[in-house]
Amino acid sequence: QQQVKQSPQSLIVQKGGISIINCAYENTAFDYFPWYQQFPGKGPALLIAIRPDVSEKKEGRFTISFNKSAKQFSLHIMDSQPGDSATYFCAASGGSARQLTFGSGTQLTVLP
Amino acid sequence: EPEVTQTPSHQVTQMGQEVILRCVPISNHLYFYWYRQILGQKVEFLVSFYNNEISEKSEIFDDQFSVERPDGSNFTLKIRSTKLEDSAMYFCASKSKSSYNEQFFGPGTRLTVL
Repeated sequence: QQQVKQSPQSLIVQKGGISIINCAYENTAFDYFPWYQQFPGKGPALLIAIRPDVSEKKEGRFTISFNKSAKQFSLHIMDSQPGDSATYFCAASGGSARQLTFGSGTQLTVLP
Repeated sequence: EPEVTQTPSHQVTQMGQEVILRCVPISNHLYFYWYRQILGQKVEFLVSFYNNEISEKSEIFDDQFSVERPDGSNFTLKIRSTKLEDSAMYFCASKSKSSYNEQFFGPGTRLTVL
């Protein structure tokens, strides 16, 4: 019940295209859903996050869509660029605990 | 921009040896975390620390692990007797009291146990 399931495992997109990564969770106590971007040899960097009181949050080219009833959330990267090539992790936390439960990661490659 | 720093960047040790991984969280943050990432796998929570005590720990964080905030700036993870399976990237993260749960991660320490 603590798991966060992420798909796809890898994604190849052409420059300028839209990258979509999906996550699903079971634990209804989760109330915070961040996305992290990780480059090789670096720590995860917080990209964008959403709380379940809204269905969408946009920051620049990055958008989170959140479906509370389906217990799913997704990251959309508009106008994908080669510099976006990285591993993306969704995560969730909730209740009195603040530890993040991470998805398995998606390796995104944006072709020039 | 303030950032979490970690030392060393890479630690090689023999099985059974003790290691201490060090972190300097962002200065006004009060919540501290350790996570680990085995090569090619997802990031896993180890322990959270607030007000000089452990607030949560995972099943991974057994008796061979300990954390300490020895002074006002450092946050350490000690592994008493390392095992081969402890080889991983260890990330420190911190969060401010005012943030709901924006955790900022350091660059990590790669621990290799031989």
